Amino acid sequence: GNSVTQMEGPVTLSEEAFLTINCTYTATGYPSLFWYVQYPGEGLQLLLKATKADDKGSNKGFEATYRKETTSFHLEKGSVQVSDSAVYFCALYSGTYKYIFGTGTRLKVLA
Amino acid sequence: DGGITQSPKYLFRKEGQNVTLSCEQNLNHDAMYWYRQDPGQGLRLIYYSQIVNDFQKGDIAEGYSVSREKKESFPLTVTSAQKNPTAFYLCASSIPGRALRTQYFGPGTRLLVL
Repeated sequence: GNSVTQMEGPVTLSEEAFLTINCTYTATGYPSLFWYVQYPGEGLQLLLKATKADDKGSNKGFEATYRKETTSFHLEKGSVQVSDSAVYFCALYSGTYKYIFGTGTRLKVLA
Repeated sequence: DGGITQSPKYLFRKEGQNVTLSCEQNLNHDAMYWYRQDPGQGLRLIYYSQIVNDFQKGDIAEGYSVSREKKESFPLTVTSAQKNPTAFYLCASSIPGRALRTQYFGPGTRLLVL
C-alpha cells in the first residue's frame, strides 16, 4: 500500500543554518505530494505542494522537488529562523479521497 | 474570511460519556475529514465524507461516529466505546477537482478524559 517515510527528529539547528528534512514515499501511479507545518497547539498549514515529477514547490524560503526516480520529496531551506521551529509533515494523495501522512519531524531552531 | 472552525478548543470527557466535536467550513469544499493525532505520531484517519449524507470509515473508526447532513458541517462523536480518547482531533476539508486536492485544516480540539 501507499506509505510515507520521514526522517525522525528532533532536528536541532542554529539560526541561519541549512535545513534538509528527508521524505520518501511508496505509491502506485503519480501521487500529489505535500509538506505541511504544525505550530504548537495548532492545526496543520499547507507549506508547499507538487503534482508531477520534477515539479518544485516553494513557499517562505522552503523548497521541495518531486523526484520520481528516487521517490523522494525532501524539504530544504537555505537559512532557518527561530520562527521556523515547528513539526513538519510530508504527505501524499494518490486518489480515492485518502491522504497518507508521515509521522512528522520536529524542528528546533536555536538563536 | 473562509476557513475551517473547530469547537471547542478543549473538551473534557467523563467515563461513559459521549462527546461531540464540531467542525464547520465555509470553503464550499465537498470532502471533509477527521484525524486523530497522538503525541509524537502522525495523523490517523478516523472518518471521511466525500459528499453530503455519505461518509466512509477510515483506519481507526471504532468508537467514533459522524454525520454529514450539511455540506458545511461534519461533527464527530466520541462514544463511550472509545477506551482511549485522549488525543488532539483535527478536521480538514479538501478542494474540489481531481488534480491537486489540497487539504485545509482546522485549529484542532484537544480531548481529555477526567
